[in-house]
Amino acid sequence: GQQVMQIPQYQHVQEGEDFTTYCNSSTTLSNIQWYKQRPGGHPVFLIQLVKSGEVKKQKRLTFQFGEAKKNSSLHITATQTTDVGTYFCAGQENYGQNFVFGPGTRLSVLP
Amino acid sequence: GAVVSQHPSRVICKSGTSVKIECRSLDFQATTMFWYRQFPKQSLMLMATSNEGSKATYEQGVEKDKFLINHASLTLSTLTVTSAHPEDSSFYICSAGRPNTEAFFGQGTRLTVV
Repeated sequence: GQQVMQIPQYQHVQEGEDFTTYCNSSTTLSNIQWYKQRPGGHPVFLIQLVKSGEVKKQKRLTFQFGEAKKNSSLHITATQTTDVGTYFCAGQENYGQNFVFGPGTRLSVLP
Repeated sequence: GAVVSQHPSRVICKSGTSVKIECRSLDFQATTMFWYRQFPKQSLMLMATSNEGSKATYEQGVEKDKFLINHASLTLSTLTVTSAHPEDSSFYICSAGRPNTEAFFGQGTRLTVV
């Protein structure tokens, strides 16, 4: 079945440093979504990527969908302590199907 | 954006009792809802897919008689953990979505079985 992998598992950065997490699917996706989960909280939707090679930006966050629609990345520029949390990618092979979540990347930001 | 309400947010129950968790889509009709389980420091794992008016589809390894799912209307799905045991303690979360849009998650339910 479909598998979604994420690296790294953990990342510790100093405040102000950049951070990137990578997501890879074993199958081609119709779309990929990114979620952020703060400690003790529930996953919060960040963005959806649909098109091959798509790049979207949200302030300091840059999301990219690979040309083959099998991988994606999330890049945070100049991290802040508010960026702390676990970032999950979730891939959907076809609309209406369930999402398969990656294991997440836990980000710690040291002030 | 669309809102999915899940409750209770926290529940503590005695071993052997049953617990019902509700998931409601407040401003849209969700023909399909998904139930996930998240163990501490782990990712979300799909338990079952809930379809309105039909039986739920369970993932491999998930006991359908233990985790009863009902999707009686387009806005409500329930998960009942029957005869709960301490190993059932976990974070349960539902999501609902519409075709071609993102999925929205409920707030999750922290279940503790003592």
